[in-house]
Amino acid sequence: RKEVEQDPGPFNVPEGATVAFNCTYSNSASQSFFWYRQDCRKEPKLLMSVYSSGNEDGRFTAQLNRASQYISLLIRDSKLSDSATYLCVPGDNFNKFYFGSGTKLNVKP
Amino acid sequence: NAGVTQTPKFQVLKTGQSMTLQCAQDMNHNSMYWYRQDPGMGLRLIYYSASEGTTDKGEVPNGYNVSRLNKREFSLRLESAAPSQTSVYFCASRAGDASYEQYFGPGTRLTVT
Repeated sequence: RKEVEQDPGPFNVPEGATVAFNCTYSNSASQSFFWYRQDCRKEPKLLMSVYSSGNEDGRFTAQLNRASQYISLLIRDSKLSDSATYLCVPGDNFNKFYFGSGTKLNVKP
Repeated sequence: NAGVTQTPKFQVLKTGQSMTLQCAQDMNHNSMYWYRQDPGMGLRLIYYSASEGTTDKGEVPNGYNVSRLNKREFSLRLESAAPSQTSVYFCASRAGDASYEQYFGPGTRLTVT
């Protein structure tokens, strides 16, 4: 069983749309949770951390459900520049992080 | 600041050849990582170094060795390259226990023929 499962997509949405991604993780001992963004042929960059209480950063909202072991990312008012692959990353408390294979988002004009 | 740098950017090897991928960070970070990324597989951890002087295996260490030369540098060595090691290799660093964000280098695209 994979550590992290994500729908690979692609999600094709028009500008201004709201889109949501989910991710499930298998390790119940995971302590930290993140969403990274990766543009084509580039390195991943941290988008946001995910806290138990949920957190928001501008148009982005992340939620964590520990009981069901899933993490979500909601993007409101999508921009063309949001087109990228979004990686779900749970981490344990031993310095290891497990990257999902990513969900590809295409925002169309 | 340069952040995390990796050399080379591209490399083509023949099966059985050896090479070392170099990584350096100028952020005074304690932890450093090597990942590989294959199409559809996500990033997989090869080795990591929690602090200077320590290294540990990740998810896919076979066929690789690492050296944490000093706090700045963490190298990855392929002793006898195989076609299955064709991949994009990313190095990353992290400040330490209180900070989880990883900063990635631009990657090395390796092809083994």
